[in-house]
This record gives sequence, structure tokens and C-alpha cells, in this order.
Amino acid sequence: QVQLVESGGGVVQPGRSLRLSCAASRFTFRNHGMHWVRQAPGRGLEWVAVIWYDGSNTYYADSVKGRFTISRDNSKNMLYLEINSLRAEDTGVYYCVRDRGSYYLDFWGQGTLVIVSS
Amino acid sequence: EIVLTQSPATLSLSPGERGTLSCRASQSVSTFLAWYQQKPGQAPRLLIYDASNRATGIPARFSGSGSGTDFTLTINNLEPEDFAIYYCQQRSNWPLTFGPGTKVDMK
Repeated sequence: QVQLVESGGGVVQPGRSLRLSCAASRFTFRNHGMHWVRQAPGRGLEWVAVIWYDGSNTYYADSVKGRFTISRDNSKNMLYLEINSLRAEDTGVYYCVRDRGSYYLDFWGQGTLVIVSS
Repeated sequence: EIVLTQSPATLSLSPGERGTLSCRASQSVSTFLAWYQQKPGQAPRLLIYDASNRATGIPARFSGSGSGTDFTLTINNLEPEDFAIYYCQQRSNWPLTFGPGTKVDMK
């Protein structure tokens, strides 16, 4: 079964930076686009970013464009999300998600919680 | 950005009943729409993609229909494990967007 394990969340002060990681296993990572999706406490799902299977292209939600950077290392089966200038509204669970091949999200990690608070 | 609207916000049903959930897009998404189920404390699970195709391992009691701007997720013969929040998602245009969700709870 596909496994996606996020790490790197925690309590961070506003304005600081954070890097989230996702370790992928039990599938051919380099063949799949990957996404980050977040969920604020008690709220719905918000798509954040996507990176192509080979890292050649990325897209971002307008709410994070310029502050977030998605990247991947196919040699290590790792996905990353660099978050800069953290804001209170960035608080939430961040999910690492596999793209099934057509921008539908077929496997989700359990998420890592980011809390932005002073 | 394509805005997805879901109705109702909450649907109260009993086990064995049929649930009909709606998702409406602010502009046509063709059939590029998916449905996800999320239970408390869990990650979402893909149920339906391309409006009507069940994802791997999804029971046949879940079905999707629609095209353009109006879509429906139908859950036949509700099982206790089906009480959850359901989200629709479009992949027609960037950015990908989700609807606000419909909570299916027990009557």
C-alpha cells in the first residue's frame, strides 16, 4: 500500500520559515506528480501546490504564491514544502498527496500540523 | 478561479437510506470532477473521479453523475461507516479547488 509520511510541522512564530517533508514509499515516486493540500482547524480542504513528476513544473494557490515553494528529490523519494513569512492563516494540517495521473488526489498522508502563533 | 458550491451543508440520514449530495461549479468543468470522503481525524479518501468513475476499492453503493456545472454523489443503502464529510474537487482549471463540503450525519 502507498505510504506517505509527512514531518516538519510544529509551532512557529509569525514571519518565520518552515520546511515540511514527505517521505514516499511503496510506489514509483518518480512517476507521479505530487501535491500539498492543507486544512485549517475545523475547516475544509485547500489545495496549496503541485509539482510535476520530474519537477519540471509547479503551480501554486494564489494565497501562497511567492511564499511557498514545492520541490522534490526523486533520488530520495522525498517531497518538500518550504514555507516563508508564516502567517496565522497558514495554521492547519498539511497533507502530502499523490496525483493519480490526472490531477485527482488518490493517496494522502496523515498530515503534519503547523501552528503559527507568537 | 472556479468556485464549487455544495448542498446541503448537512444531510441527516439513517443507515439504509439513500443520500444525494450536490456540487455546483461557477463555470463548466466538463466531467473533471472528483468526490472525496473524510472522517474525523483522518485524511480524505478519493471516491469518484471524472464525475462518475469509482476509485479503486470504493464500494458500488457510491455513484457519481453530472457534467458541466452540476454534479451529484449518491450513496445508496448508507452504511454506518459512510457518515462523514464529502468534498467535491475540480481539475478543469488551475488552481484546483474544493467545495466547502457536505456533512452526512446520523438522524
